[in-house]
Amino acid sequence: ILNVEQSPQSLHVQEGDSTNFTCSFPSSNFYALHWYRWETAKSPEALFVMTLNGDEKKKGRISATLNTKEGYSYLYIKGSQPEDSATYLCAFFSNDYKLSFGAGTTVTVRA
Amino acid sequence: EAQVTQNPRYLITVTGKKLTVTCSQNMNHEYMSWYRQDPGLGLRQIYYSMNVEVTDKGDVPEGYKVSRKEKRNFPLILESPSPNQTSLYFCASGKVDRGRSPLHFGNGTRLTVT
Repeated sequence: ILNVEQSPQSLHVQEGDSTNFTCSFPSSNFYALHWYRWETAKSPEALFVMTLNGDEKKKGRISATLNTKEGYSYLYIKGSQPEDSATYLCAFFSNDYKLSFGAGTTVTVRA
Repeated sequence: EAQVTQNPRYLITVTGKKLTVTCSQNMNHEYMSWYRQDPGLGLRQIYYSMNVEVTDKGDVPEGYKVSRKEKRNFPLILESPSPNQTSLYFCASGKVDRGRSPLHFGNGTRLTVT
């Protein structure tokens, strides 16, 4: 089982504040790093797919960076809004086609 | 509409009674996979398939079977369910392209085994 860790497990953010959290993964056998957003009672939806060291992706107020050499990725939320409340999952795609998920970071944005 | 369809959404059963959870996708994806989600553990892969008649074990395959007779369908079979298989299950599909494309998830099946 590949060790994909996310921290913190949960965080509470005031509306309008910015936040970030971490995904760490094995630095060997790397193919891709996925970020998914998972809202309660829904299915996970893809945010970003990152494949190259140094990749930076952005979608609206959410962005992500990737460091494959040291095995970590950061997800940033700028100016958090209540609709950003969700669990954010990262997943490591290795060269044997297994996709291993972290346990997620649950973000709660307080109005 | 491109989608992954899982059925049923909710299922309550008793120990030992065989059950099948169906998964179908309409995107012509080669890759399909089953996950279970338990509190604090994230999504754990049960089985995956790279194409028709090609299946491989994930991290937690014990007690499960799968088959891939057609490209669009990837059913999950519990021959003799036990209470420790009570969980939320997700089916997902994607392209076989070294992880460059995201997975598409079904809506989940919440299974309770008593």
